[in-house]
Amino acid sequence: DAKTTQPPSMDCAEGRAANLPCNHSTISGNEYVYWYRQIHSQGPQYIIHGLKNNETNEMASLIITEDRKSSTLILPHATLRDTAVYYCIVRSAYSGAGSYQLTFGKGTKLSVIP
Amino acid sequence: DTAVSQTPKYLVTQMGNDKSIKCEQNLGHDTMYWYKQDSKKFLKIMFSYNNKELIINETVPNRFSPKSPDKAHLNLHINSLELGDSAVYFCASSQERYRGKSTDTQYFGPGTRLTVL
Repeated sequence: DAKTTQPPSMDCAEGRAANLPCNHSTISGNEYVYWYRQIHSQGPQYIIHGLKNNETNEMASLIITEDRKSSTLILPHATLRDTAVYYCIVRSAYSGAGSYQLTFGKGTKLSVIP
Repeated sequence: DTAVSQTPKYLVTQMGNDKSIKCEQNLGHDTMYWYKQDSKKFLKIMFSYNNKELIINETVPNRFSPKSPDKAHLNLHINSLELGDSAVYFCASSQERYRGKSTDTQYFGPGTRLTVL
């Protein structure tokens, strides 16, 4: 079962920042927070990941609370092409049988509105 | 160049048939995966191979058999297809290594939509 909780859906106006929350209250010290998205009918796409520090890349920013029990994915200027299902995934940093796979939950369906 | 490719993109077949889906990655990755996305859009891991060796085999009927001829390919063969096998199947790859720190991202293929009639 997924270890994360996300709202089922959100709307965001085009050009505005989209802030997608995720709760992971049972996260352990060696687990990373990953974000992927799935645009309709396509394969999931990696966005960003982090352990405890905030992270930023060309796609998004990831803000992780100090207690690591929740995080927020920020798309700074949402476009229509960002309409997708966004998945927040908690995953161990260390391998071993069973740690490689991504366990997807239901995700948040983000609709960017013109 | 496509990083992770799958063929075919669409597959329509009758119950009881045997079919294969092919996956190839040109990223030089060591680990490959098969995921299944059902009609309710849940994505679940089926198999994981590291350098041609099976690492993960979730509770999947033994009608499903992955085959990895080399580390760039992971094909999925399905025997005696059933209606419930209808889904979208995604192949993925990553640079993880067994028994090592694994934080590398997974790259997914475009998916194969399987319809069993």
